[in-house]
Amino acid sequence: QKEVEQNSGPLSVPEGAIASLNCTYSDRGSQSFFWYRQYSGKSPELIMFIYSNGDKEDGRFTAQLNKASQYVSLLIRDSQPSDSATYLCAVNPVGDYKLSFGAGTTVTVRA
Amino acid sequence: DVKVTQSSRYLVKRTGEKVFLECVQDMDHENMFWYRQDPGLGLRLIYFSYDVKMKEKGDIPEGYSVSREKKERFSLILESASTNQTSMYLCASSPGDSYEQYFGPGTRLTVT
Repeated sequence: QKEVEQNSGPLSVPEGAIASLNCTYSDRGSQSFFWYRQYSGKSPELIMFIYSNGDKEDGRFTAQLNKASQYVSLLIRDSQPSDSATYLCAVNPVGDYKLSFGAGTTVTVRA
Repeated sequence: DVKVTQSSRYLVKRTGEKVFLECVQDMDHENMFWYRQDPGLGLRLIYFSYDVKMKEKGDIPEGYSVSREKKERFSLILESASTNQTSMYLCASSPGDSYEQYFGPGTRLTVT
């Protein structure tokens, strides 16, 4: 079982809609959770982090964490064509400096 | 803003050459990482360092070595480049008291 699993997509949403991305992780002791956005040919860019159960909002992005279900999600509201990218979920396993990355979900926002 | 820079955006080398990829961060981060990213395989950790002169192997260290002589600088060395090391190489750094990683722009290496 992979440590961090994401649906690979592609996820296609119309402009203005909500894009919902999901991520599950295997290490129950994980404490820190991150979402990165990666445009084609570019490096990953940190867009959100969440440490506590519940929701965390930053502009059009909302991260949701449920540690009991070992589930973290990212919602993109009012999706724009500029949101078209691959979104990587990353989890910090307990007692580790490293992050475990999912394979990414590719999102396409169609105008 | 955290800034991580990498010595080259694009690099073309011949099989058997020794290749140096350099990464510099300006935020006094303790931890630094080298990844490679290939289509369908995602991000794979090659090596990381949690302090000057300290290093640990990641998931795919074979064919690579690293050097960290100064806190801000982390170098990846391909001792004898091979075609299967053609890839995008990404450097990242993170603070000592939290785990978010900040990536450099990447080096796209082609070995012919």
